[in-house]
Amino acid sequence: DTGVSQDPRHKITKRGQNVTFRCDPISEHNRLYWYRQTLGQGPEFLTYFQNEAQLEKSRLLSDRFSAERPKGSFSTLEIQRTEQGDSAMYLCASSLWPRETQYFGPGTRLLVL
Amino acid sequence: DAKTTQPNSMESNEEEPVHLPCNHSTISGTDYIHWYRQLPSQGPEYVIHGLTSNVNNRMASLAIAEDRKSSTLILHRATLRDAAVYYCILRDVRETSGSRLTFGEGTQLTVNP
Repeated sequence: DTGVSQDPRHKITKRGQNVTFRCDPISEHNRLYWYRQTLGQGPEFLTYFQNEAQLEKSRLLSDRFSAERPKGSFSTLEIQRTEQGDSAMYLCASSLWPRETQYFGPGTRLLVL
Repeated sequence: DAKTTQPNSMESNEEEPVHLPCNHSTISGTDYIHWYRQLPSQGPEYVIHGLTSNVNNRMASLAIAEDRKSSTLILHRATLRDAAVYYCILRDVRETSGSRLTFGEGTQLTVNP
C-alpha cells in the first residue's frame, strides 16, 4: 500500500491555459474522488468514480472541468481555459467501497496568474 | 447534507488530553459521524467514525451523546504532531445520498510544547 499519489504537486499557469492533473489511487480501490480546497476552507467535493463510471458531479464542476478514469485505475482532472478563481489545492481520494474510509493524496496546488 | 458546528480553534498543551466538540442537532438516523484531520500541507487523514456507540482506535476516541446531537473527539495525550485542522463530518450511509464527504471549516488545534 503506497498510498494515493498525485502529480504534479505544484502547477503555475497563465490564465487561459489548459492544465491536467493525475491521481493514482490505492491499488484495487474501486472509488476515486476529486475535491478542491481554497485557503482557509475545508475541501469541497467535485466528482467521484466507481471503477470507470463517473457517478456524481458537483455543481462546482463547470463545463471547463472534465475528469476521467478510463480503465478504472488512475484518473485525470483537466481544467480548460483556466481562470484566476481556479487557483486552489486539488485533492484526490480513494476508497474500497462499501467501506467508508476515504484516503487522500497530498494534493496538487494550482496557481493561475 | 446535515450541518455540523465546531469551534474555529482550540489550544492544548503537549501530553494533555484534548476534547474537540462537534454539534450536529439535525443529524438523521442514517448519518454516521466521521472525523478527519488535515496536517499542514497534507491531504485530510481519516481519524475515526461511529454511529451510536462510543468508539476507540489507536488514534483517538469518539464519544457520541445519547441523543446523537453532539459528539466529542478525544485525543488522550496530545503531541506536537497532532496540531492540525480537525473536521467533523456527517455521512449518510444510504447510497442514494451519494458518496461525498461534506467538510466544514473545522477546528484548528494548536498544541503547545
